[in-house]
Amino acid sequence: QVQLVQSGAEVKKPGASVKLSCRASGYTFSNFYLHWVRQAPGQGLEWVGMINPSGVSTRYAQNFQGRVTMTKDTSTSTVYMELSSLRSDDTAVYFCARTSWFGEFSHWGQGTLVTVSS
Amino acid sequence: DIQLTQSPSFLSASVGDRVTFTCRASQGIGRYLAWYQQEPGKAPKLLIYSASTLQSGVPSRFSGSGSGTDFTLTISSLQPEDVATYYCQQLTSHPYDFGQGTKLAI
Repeated sequence: QVQLVQSGAEVKKPGASVKLSCRASGYTFSNFYLHWVRQAPGQGLEWVGMINPSGVSTRYAQNFQGRVTMTKDTSTSTVYMELSSLRSDDTAVYFCARTSWFGEFSHWGQGTLVTVSS
Repeated sequence: DIQLTQSPSFLSASVGDRVTFTCRASQGIGRYLAWYQQEPGKAPKLLIYSASTLQSGVPSRFSGSGSGTDFTLTISSLQPEDVATYYCQQLTSHPYDFGQGTKLAI
């Protein structure tokens, strides 16, 4: 079955960077886009960006342009999201999600809590 | 960017009630809309895609309708396990933003 397993919780200081991972299994890694979505405490869902596992293309939300980088390692079916210049309002749970045939986010990772605090 | 507005923000209903959530897009998105259910502390779960297609394994009391700018998610007979926050998402073009959510209580 399709599984997305994310890395563990992180605590970072303001100004630092964090790199999260999402390891996919149970399907052909290159066939479906992977996205990152975040959720600040008590808030709604915010789309961060996406990566095409079969190529090199990425798309990022305007709010994160210049601070976020998404990469992949095809050999381990893993995608990464690095967020730099962290601020306190980057404190959130970050989810990876896989699309399906019509673009819907059909499978989700368990989420990774990132806490930014001095 | 396409904005999604969900209403109401909060909904309280009784077990067995018919419940309807609304999602309005700032411009036409065809049928490129999905609905998700999120229970506290959990990842979102896909309920409906392409505006009205029920995701495999989702109970048939959930249904979706609409096209263009106006969409609805309906629960035909509310169950206790349906307590959650419900989000719509447009999938026509990036950024693939979500509505602000509707919190459902019993």
